[in-house]
Amino acid sequence: GQNIDQPTEMTATEGAIVQINCTYQTSGFNGLFWYQQHAGEAPTFLSYNVLDGLEEKGRFSSFLSRSKGYSYLLLKELQMKDSASYLCAVMDSNYQLIWGAGTKLIIKP
Amino acid sequence: IAGITQAPTSQILAAGRRMTLRCTQDMRHNAMYWYRQDLGLGLRLIHYSNTAGTTGKGEVPDGYSVSRANTDDFPLTLASAVPSQTSVYFCASSDSEAGDEQYFGPGTRLTVL
Repeated sequence: GQNIDQPTEMTATEGAIVQINCTYQTSGFNGLFWYQQHAGEAPTFLSYNVLDGLEEKGRFSSFLSRSKGYSYLLLKELQMKDSASYLCAVMDSNYQLIWGAGTKLIIKP
Repeated sequence: IAGITQAPTSQILAAGRRMTLRCTQDMRHNAMYWYRQDLGLGLRLIHYSNTAGTTGKGEVPDGYSVSRANTDDFPLTLASAVPSQTSVYFCASSDSEAGDEQYFGPGTRLTVL
């Protein structure tokens, strides 16, 4: 079966750094996506990794290891507006996205 | 304003009724998708369309149907709603099905009683 695992909830302090992990087992791999979803809103795209390594985009970075079936999203200089759910999704061999249940990130002052 | 719209925003529906959720995009994207999102679960793909005139089944297609008569519109129909179809429904689109980011509509919150 196909499976995406990520922690249900994490708490971090404003100004700090947080790493959200995602492990996956899918039939085929055509890339891994991270999306941000604020409560009551639609998901919005953050990053896409298809090759191993780190992709940096401002305060957000995403890392991929295909051999380990592992990715993480790193958020630096946390702001209160970063309080949201972060969704990990893998594109399988049929080019369909398989989604994790999401990690709810709570930022405390 | 470029983007993807959905209607209605929310709906309460009696079991057994027929309901069509509307989705329109003006980005000229080829691929469109319907997902449902339930608490504690990841987004699950209901149906998709890689290009106008073609559709395919996702992970949870039973009880739902779609059509793609043109590039912009991708309606989702519940022929006879059941309480287990209570969910938040998101429509999404992407330029192609292969590795492009998906853009999501604002969602429709559907309650079936």
